[in-house]
This record gives sequence, structure tokens and C-alpha cells, in this order.
Amino acid sequence: GIQVEQSPPDLILQEGANSTLRCNFSDSVNNLQWFHQNPWGQLINLFYIPSGTKQNGRLSATTVATERYSLLYISSSQTTDSGVYFCAVGTGGSYIPTFGRGTSLIVHP
Amino acid sequence: KAGVTQTPRYLIKTRGQQVTLSCSPISGHRSVSWYQQTPGQGLQFLFEYFSETQRNKGNFPGRFSGRQFSNSRSEMNVSTLELGDSALYLCASSPRQGLSAFEQFFGPGTRLTVL
Repeated sequence: GIQVEQSPPDLILQEGANSTLRCNFSDSVNNLQWFHQNPWGQLINLFYIPSGTKQNGRLSATTVATERYSLLYISSSQTTDSGVYFCAVGTGGSYIPTFGRGTSLIVHP
Repeated sequence: KAGVTQTPRYLIKTRGQQVTLSCSPISGHRSVSWYQQTPGQGLQFLFEYFSETQRNKGNFPGRFSGRQFSNSRSEMNVSTLELGDSALYLCASSPRQGLSAFEQFFGPGTRLTVL
């Protein structure tokens, strides 16, 4: 099956800093999502981005499908950005995504 | 639109018991998937239901089962609970049609503790 690698595994920032999270995948994908898991466990949809670039406030994402990676940018980080960020990808006609192991982000005030 | 809802949010059971978890998808979504999340294994796919039929299944023992009703609500059942079944169980719904057919929306999860 497809392999999904996220980096870095852990990230500690001061409030106001910027960061880039990376998701590499081993095969062509036709769907890709970024999620933020909050401290209570809920997975919040950030982006559905099988290709191209999207922005939502302080967050933006870029997927370069031909090179098999996606990037999530967080600018001017806030303590509420803390949590785990997951990348999930799907291939072919499968509705079942494969999740990476996540990037754990801690933002200190 | 209301989001995905899951009940109960927390559950404590003892080994050998069985448990049923419930998930109501976003209105209009006909696909419901279930995942198990543990610190050691991460997020693992359990199964997916679409139009009351199981369409995909992950690599879990037969103690894990599910069903979907005509209103798309889904239940997941775990029989003969083991300590290792302690986990966060997440449900996701998906439209399975349109431009964002593959996009998944998750509920808040049910945290199951097996003693």
C-alpha cells in the first residue's frame, strides 16, 4: 500500500513563529487532506487539497502531486494551533485514506 | 449543516463485555467510516459503510463489526472486549459524490477504556 511520511514528528514554537509541515507519499494520489487533531481528540478538517494551493487565514497548503508531497504552512502561530497535524491520502478509486503518523506541534506563549 | 455526531463520548467497560458505539453522519452523506486510534498504532481504518452495505474493511478481527441504517446512521460493535481495545474510536462521513467525493469529516470520537 501507499506509504505516507510526515515531518518533522515534533515541533515546538514560540507564539508568532511560522512553520512548515511536510507530507511525502509514495504513489500517485487522487485525494489528500490535512487535519488538525485538537487536545480533545477531534480531527478538524483544514484542507482538501489533492493538488494546487489553498489558503485559509493563517494557514495555507500546497500539494505537488507530480513530486508526491504536500506542505502545510502555519504563519503567526498561536497557542490554539497546538495539537497533532495529520496528512491523509487516497489512491485510485479508494475512499479509504491512509494517514501519516502526524506532526505534534506545541506553541508556547 | 450539523456535523458528525458520536455517542457516547466516553465509555468504560471490563474485559469480556461488549460495546456499541453510534455515529450520525452529516446530512446527505451516505458513507460512514470507522477508525481506531491508539498511541502505538496511530489511526487505523476499521470499515466503511455506504448505502447500508459494508464496502471496505480493514485488518481487524471479527469481534469488530458494524452496520448502517437506512438513514445513514451507523453503529459499531465490539464483542468480548480486550484490554488492547482501549482507544479513541472515530467516525467519519463522506459525500461519496461530487467534486469532494473523497473528503472525510470526522466526529468528536468515543474514548473507550477497557479495564
